[in-house]
Amino acid sequence: DIQMTQSPSSLSASIGDRVTLTCRASQSINSFLNWYQQKPGKAPKLLIYGASSLQSGVPSRFSGSGSGTDFTLTINSLQPEDFATYYCHQSYTTPWTFGQGTKVDFK
Amino acid sequence: QVQLVQSGAEVKKPGSSVKVSCKASGGSFSSYTITWVRQAPGHGLEWMGRIIPILEITNYAQKFQGRVTITAHTSTSTTYMEVTSLRSEDTAIYYCATGPEFWGQGTLVTVSS
Repeated sequence: DIQMTQSPSSLSASIGDRVTLTCRASQSINSFLNWYQQKPGKAPKLLIYGASSLQSGVPSRFSGSGSGTDFTLTINSLQPEDFATYYCHQSYTTPWTFGQGTKVDFK
Repeated sequence: QVQLVQSGAEVKKPGSSVKVSCKASGGSFSSYTITWVRQAPGHGLEWMGRIIPILEITNYAQKFQGRVTITAHTSTSTTYMEVTSLRSEDTAIYYCATGPEFWGQGTLVTVSS
């Protein structure tokens, strides 16, 4: 199985900060990498698909980059509604696998 | 716009089984791939398996092979995910999803004696 490792596991940030989350795959997954945001009690919400494509309706302060094994999710100018847990997810091959998540909370 | 609506919360005894449904609307059900993901309390997301109804193909994570069965009824646009031999560690929210972007609301399954 492809292992997905996210870092950091958690981070504290302030409104307006630029935040960068990373995700590393244990083998190349080309660009089959998605990023999700999850808030307590809610289903995951797709933010980025194909490593860098912004899902419709998602604010442009979210961006994704990378290919192969190393990926990043950047949130420019963090907003109050962005405090959540973020997961990366590979859909390159089954079993699809997720990172363990990065929790972004208020500093 | 695809919408996935799941069945309600369940409380089960250890050793029993649970069957969760996921009804799709919008789009063409037969062309979907329906994936099942679970999330134990305070934990991350775990891929369980998927079904491609039009090809009648299922894939399961090795961890769930033999204990999880995913089926689909194209006539009702409904997918089912059954877990047998339940144990306390199976307590989780179970989600169905299609594509990366459409998710059901989740079904809480509690396994407790």
